[in-house]
Amino acid sequence: AQSVAQPEDQVNVAEGNPLTVKCTYSVSGNPYLFWYVQYPNRGLQFLLKYITGDNLVKGSYGFEAEFNKSQTSFHLKKPSALVSDSALYFCAVRVPNTGTASKLTFGTGTRLQVTL
Amino acid sequence: NAGVTQTPKFQVLKTGQSMTLQCAQDMNHNSMYWYRQDPGMGLRLIYYSASEGTTDKGEVPNGYNVSRLNKREFSLRLESAAPSQTSVYFCASSLGPSYTGELFFGEGSRLTVL
Repeated sequence: AQSVAQPEDQVNVAEGNPLTVKCTYSVSGNPYLFWYVQYPNRGLQFLLKYITGDNLVKGSYGFEAEFNKSQTSFHLKKPSALVSDSALYFCAVRVPNTGTASKLTFGTGTRLQVTL
Repeated sequence: NAGVTQTPKFQVLKTGQSMTLQCAQDMNHNSMYWYRQDPGMGLRLIYYSASEGTTDKGEVPNGYNVSRLNKREFSLRLESAAPSQTSVYFCASSLGPSYTGELFFGEGSRLTVL
């Protein structure tokens, strides 16, 4: 069975500082990995994905994520945080070619709080 | 450009009552999904429809039924609501079931069952 872990319920960072939101996964096979963001009272919005190729992927709003196969991690990063980045962030994983579209597994979410 | 639209946004039910959550997308997507979001548990898939005319169970289907009315619309029905179904429900769609692309989510429907 595939699973995703987001070990931190909340991450606090000062505006202008770099931020990291951690994600580790467990799958049998090569994963597709995703990050989504949820602002208050809104649905989830896609940020970025790793399918294949370069381990460093860039996404919306200046976010990037690094795929590390040996550590089974896909941490979300941003060089300089903004107060407007404060939101709930979800990591998700899927193993391709498993015969069904349902196997997208979400982590429990990490709340990012950016303060002035 | 509406994207994925869910109704109602809020609903309060008494135990045993029934209701239907409606979802429509205007992106000509083939696949649609219903998730529930609970604190500390992330999103869990209830049902999905890979394409018009097909529906399949997800991770937590008990107590729910779905109908893919046409390519645009995918409804979720609670036949006899229970307090354990208090949650925020999200409808989502994608171009197809291949999952190399993103899901597009509605803004959610907050359901409270008393």
